[in-house]
Amino acid sequence: GNSVTQMEGPVTLSEEAFLTINCTYTATGYPSLFWYVQYPGEGLQLLLKATKADDKGSNKGFEATYRKETTSFHLEKGSVQVSDSAVYFCALSDDSTSYGKLTFGQGTILTVHP
Amino acid sequence: GAGVSQSPRYKVAKRGQDVALRCDPISGHVSLFWYQQALGQGPEFLTYFQNEAQLDKSGLPSDRFFAERPEGSVSTLKIQRTQQEDSAVYLCASSNLVGEQYFGPGTRLTVT
Repeated sequence: GNSVTQMEGPVTLSEEAFLTINCTYTATGYPSLFWYVQYPGEGLQLLLKATKADDKGSNKGFEATYRKETTSFHLEKGSVQVSDSAVYFCALSDDSTSYGKLTFGQGTILTVHP
Repeated sequence: GAGVSQSPRYKVAKRGQDVALRCDPISGHVSLFWYQQALGQGPEFLTYFQNEAQLDKSGLPSDRFFAERPEGSVSTLKIQRTQQEDSAVYLCASSNLVGEQYFGPGTRLTVT
């Protein structure tokens, strides 16, 4: 079956540091890939997505590239802010169905200090 | 416009009690999903509705879990005879037939 593995957290960085959160996946077919973010006290929000190999998703300074050869979708940001502190989830959408149920990784807690 | 809403936000139940969790999706969204999120884990799929039809219930962990969406809008997730392992956050998401899933804030269920 499908699975998503994220790097272990928590991750603690100083403001303006470079961020990488690793994500690898196992899936049959050609899933779409997502990063979701959960800010404290809030629901899950879609951060970015990529629907086919070599696509790059980007939003709010975050980027991730769909790498089929390495089955990866690593999240990066060049300069993090305190406001980026949140839990980040990598997910894939099952393309064997038309409705795209999601399989999530376990989440990575990011804390950014001033 | 209004997002996905869920109620109650918090629910404490004694083991063996039945609970009902409500989801109000975004108006007009055809698809509705329920996920279960255990502490420190990512959400796990429970079930999917397209309008009033429950097309996938492969993630429901036992026959104590039951979901419905009788008029193709509001959905209710019911858990009978709750057990401690049912303690989790229950998330609802809605989307157009092909599109981004919008998540509600979740219901945190604690079974004592």
